[in-house]
Amino acid sequence: NAGVMQNPRHLVRRRGQEARLRCSPMKGHSHVYWYRQLPEEGLKFMVYLQKENIIDESGMPKERFSAEFPKEGPSILRIQQVVRGDSAAYFCASSPGLGLYGYTFGSGTRLTVV
Amino acid sequence: GQQLNQSPQSMFIQEGEDVSMNCTSSSIFNTWLWYKQDPGEGPVLLIALYKAGELTSNGRLTAQFGITRKDSFLNISASIPSDVGIYFCAGQFSDGGSQGNLIFGKGTKLSVKP
Repeated sequence: NAGVMQNPRHLVRRRGQEARLRCSPMKGHSHVYWYRQLPEEGLKFMVYLQKENIIDESGMPKERFSAEFPKEGPSILRIQQVVRGDSAAYFCASSPGLGLYGYTFGSGTRLTVV
Repeated sequence: GQQLNQSPQSMFIQEGEDVSMNCTSSSIFNTWLWYKQDPGEGPVLLIALYKAGELTSNGRLTAQFGITRKDSFLNISASIPSDVGIYFCAGQFSDGGSQGNLIFGKGTKLSVKP
């Protein structure tokens, strides 16, 4: 019973490139949440998705960031034209339904922009 | 945005000592959670609290949901070296529109001297 799988674990991008972060939820989980963690900080909510729908994107920056959770395949967090300030750890969590029951985090993707 | 104030920021203790940390908020939460994060990993849930006044234990860990619903504490008794890590409180608002979004504190970094 695999947990929440995120890949890659580490990603290095040059300024101006695109970053794609993937999250495969736990089996049976249809709700996905993305968080960002800056060094020495707690996690900050970005976006909440269900299959093919964005439910809450109140924490997403207005530009360059987008997220999707297609009918088939993992959820993708996409950052276009990355800047140094995008360097952070990005965590995905999944749950089987609305609410916190079974809410589980992945191990994260550490993005470094050089 | 909403914030959780978590204290202390860091603790250096001797193995066998008890530890206490807490979180406060200016807003009412309907759920309080305590997580532990090891280096390079995602947060792992330790204790979840769902009712004001609730006191819950998980082995050597005890946490309480404050009566005012604006605070929570976590105690660790008889600390051991593997307790080292960063402990985060997280809360969820009563606002039904923010289901699944967790607000995190900035963490308490625990170091244990053998």
